[in-house]
This record gives sequence, structure tokens and C-alpha cells, in this order.
Amino acid sequence: GQQLNQSPQSMFIQEGEDVSMNCTSSSIFNTWLWYKQEPGEGPVLLIALYKAGELTSNGRLTAQFGITRKDSFLNISASIPSDVGIYFCAGLLNAGKSTFGDGTTLTVKP
Amino acid sequence: DTAVSQTPKYLVTQMGNDKSIKCEQNLGHDTMYWYKQDSKKFLKIMFSYNNKELIINETVPNRFSPKSPDKAHLNLHINSLELGDSAVYFCASSQDFGLAGGDEQFFGPGTRLTVL
Repeated sequence: GQQLNQSPQSMFIQEGEDVSMNCTSSSIFNTWLWYKQEPGEGPVLLIALYKAGELTSNGRLTAQFGITRKDSFLNISASIPSDVGIYFCAGLLNAGKSTFGDGTTLTVKP
Repeated sequence: DTAVSQTPKYLVTQMGNDKSIKCEQNLGHDTMYWYKQDSKKFLKIMFSYNNKELIINETVPNRFSPKSPDKAHLNLHINSLELGDSAVYFCASSQDFGLAGGDEQFFGPGTRLTVL
């Protein structure tokens, strides 16, 4: 089956710093999605990407769909304490079936 | 308004019991899913239903049986619970199935199942 490698596994940063995380795959996807999960909650969609090379922003978040269709990255600028959580990438090739990365746990120190 | 709701939020039960988790979405979506998140936070899809029809059935023990009485509901019944079933189970829904822009999934708050 398709596998997604998400890195880094965890990050400990100071408030105000920028954050970068990425997902890579050995196979292509048609859609990349980025989710954030806070403790005790379900994942919430942050950004959706549908086209190779697409660069999309949502506030302080920016994500890109890699040209090869095998990778995607998510950047968070000027991090704040409420950015803490687990960030998941998800790739879709076939209808309705998302393959999730293993998550990046972000800790922001005030 | 809660978009995707699950009940119960916590479920503690003994090995061998049968239990059900209910899910409802009020978004008018056509597709619903069940995911399992283990202690390492890995999210794995279990089932997907589109318009009450089973579309995706991953390698899940047949002790797990989803039931979709209508498009807005997808319940998960688990027979003969085992210790390894302990996890957080998430229900999710999406508007369309296989159409660009329709695959974004909205997740419920999760049900934490603990099997003793």
C-alpha cells in the first residue's frame, strides 16, 4: 500500500519562530491535505491542495503540492502557543481513500 | 451546531463484550468514514460508506461491523472486544466521493475505547 513519510516526528520551538514540516511518498497523489489535531479533538482541515506546484496560504500557514506529486510541505510563520498540536498530512490518489502521515507533534514554548 | 458528532466520547468495557459507537453528521455529506487512532497517534482508515453503500473496507477483523441506516449516520459495532481494540475511533464525513474539492474530511471529536 501507499506509505507517507512525515518529518520531523516532533518539534520543540520558541514562540515567534517559523516551522516547516513535510511529507514524502514513493508514489504519486492527486490531492494533498494538511490537518491539525488538538488534544481530545478530531483532526481539523487546514489546507487542501489539488494541483502539482500549487502554493496555498491560510493565514500564517502556507502549503505546497510538490511538482513530482510525491511530496508536500507545510510552513507556519511566527508561531504562537495555540499552534501546538499534531499536524497530519494526507494524500489521496483513489476516490475517498486518504493515506495519512504519522504526524508531526509541535510544541511551542512561550 | 456540531457538524460531526459521536457518542459516547468515552467507553470503558471488559474483554469479550459487544459495544457500539454512533456517528451522525448534519452537513448533508454523502460519504462517511471510520478511522482508528492508536496510542502512537497513527490514523488508519477502517471503512468508508458512500450513500449508505460500503466503498472501502480495509483489513479490519470481521468483529467490526459498520452500519449506515441513512446518509447522515454511520455506526460501528464491535463484537467480542479484545485488548488490542483499545484506541480512539474517529468518524468523519466528506461532501463528495472522488471529486476534486469534495474529499476534504470533517472529523468528529472521537470515541476513546478502553478494553480491560
